[in-house]
Amino acid sequence: EAQVTQNPRYLITVTGKKLTVTCSQNMNHEYMSWYRQDPGLGLRQIYYSMNVEVTDKGDVPEGYKVSRKEKRNFPLILESPSPNQTSLYFCASGGEAGGYTFGSGTRLTVV
Amino acid sequence: DQQVKQNSPSLSVQEGRISILNCDYTNSMFDYFLWYKKYPAEGPTFLISISSIKDKNEDGRFTVFLNKSAKHLSLHIVPSQPGDSAVYFCAAGTGGTSYGKLTFGQGTILTVHP
Repeated sequence: EAQVTQNPRYLITVTGKKLTVTCSQNMNHEYMSWYRQDPGLGLRQIYYSMNVEVTDKGDVPEGYKVSRKEKRNFPLILESPSPNQTSLYFCASGGEAGGYTFGSGTRLTVV
Repeated sequence: DQQVKQNSPSLSVQEGRISILNCDYTNSMFDYFLWYKKYPAEGPTFLISISSIKDKNEDGRFTVFLNKSAKHLSLHIVPSQPGDSAVYFCAAGTGGTSYGKLTFGQGTILTVHP
């Protein structure tokens, strides 16, 4: 089954403790992206990648890092999480006409 | 600065009637537009897209209209069904592609009553 898999689905952490949210796709897509969803703000792009070793900033990249060492994986790294990074995060991949395929989301709470 | 805006937070329609969801944008560089649907506890799913070289694209019950001079697009759902109840996001991108840097609107909650 074609899918984008994010882990974990839920995460509660403390301020400053480094964390990684993993994302993997099995569709051999070139494009991958991370978004965060906040009430009243919709979906805002954090980073995107058009191929292995190629990443670019989206609209809200501050406080986040990404890497694309292989085609299927695109982890999101928060080196020092802060409470304003509490949000619902979505990973997405794409490679055909039809827009991104999104994962099921990761709800992150930073206390 | 919100470059893609959905000014109606919610819309309520009766089953069988038309649903019209609206989206405005400010960046004239946008040349590709998409609509996504999102159910609770799920990721958004792609619905329909349109390139700036067109003014209309139709897929079954869903039609997207683009008015470039007004920087406005709309999604028409005819006929509306209760299963269409979800949050709808419009998105816009550049480079003539549905990938890369995409900017989303805030979303509109559609409720279709039986």
